[in-house]
Amino acid sequence: EVQLVESGGGLVQPGGSLRLSCAASGFIFSNYAMSWVRQAPGKGLEWVSVSSASGDSTFHVDSVKGRFTISRDNSKSTLYLQMNSLRAEDTAVYYCAQSTRPRVWDSSTWGFWGQGTLVTVSS
Amino acid sequence: DIQMTQSPSTLSASVGDRVTITCRASQSISSWLAWYQQKPGKAPNLLIYKASTLESGVPSRFSGSGSGTEFTLTISSLQPDDFATYYCQQYNFYSTFGGGTKVEIK
Repeated sequence: EVQLVESGGGLVQPGGSLRLSCAASGFIFSNYAMSWVRQAPGKGLEWVSVSSASGDSTFHVDSVKGRFTISRDNSKSTLYLQMNSLRAEDTAVYYCAQSTRPRVWDSSTWGFWGQGTLVTVSS
Repeated sequence: DIQMTQSPSTLSASVGDRVTITCRASQSISSWLAWYQQKPGKAPNLLIYKASTLESGVPSRFSGSGSGTEFTLTISSLQPDDFATYYCQQYNFYSTFGGGTKVEIK
């Protein structure tokens, strides 16, 4: 059974940093691209970042480019999101999600999702 | 960037109704369009991919159609479990989600 468990969320001041983790199990982690998707309170979904299966290729949306970095440790089956220079508008539940298409990273749907971790940016 | 626009943003309907949600892309995405259902406090659930292919386990009352820039999600006979928010997602170039359509009880 595929399981994705996010952690690392919490309250942080504007300008601060946070690192999210997503521990994966139940599938061969190194075969799948992984993404972070966020959802601000009461708002819609915003796709944030993607990592290829190997971690060699990544992409971030413009709203987080230069501030957030996605990475992964395939030996630990764990996905990360390093978030720096946080802003109030980054407040959201952050989900990690598994690509439905093995080894496809730049055009995929997201079949399995974690339960999410809440990041609150406030002074 | 590819923008995705859903309409309506809210839809009031009754059990048994036929419901249609529209999603428009700012440029052609061929058939690289997916639909998700999300219930409050839960992660999204993939319903349809490649515009019209049902994900395994999804009831046949859900259907999708369209190509290019205009797509629809149809629920043929709304059931109590279907009251939720629905999102479209393009995956022609990375990913973009639409703004969502909340299906509420009339």
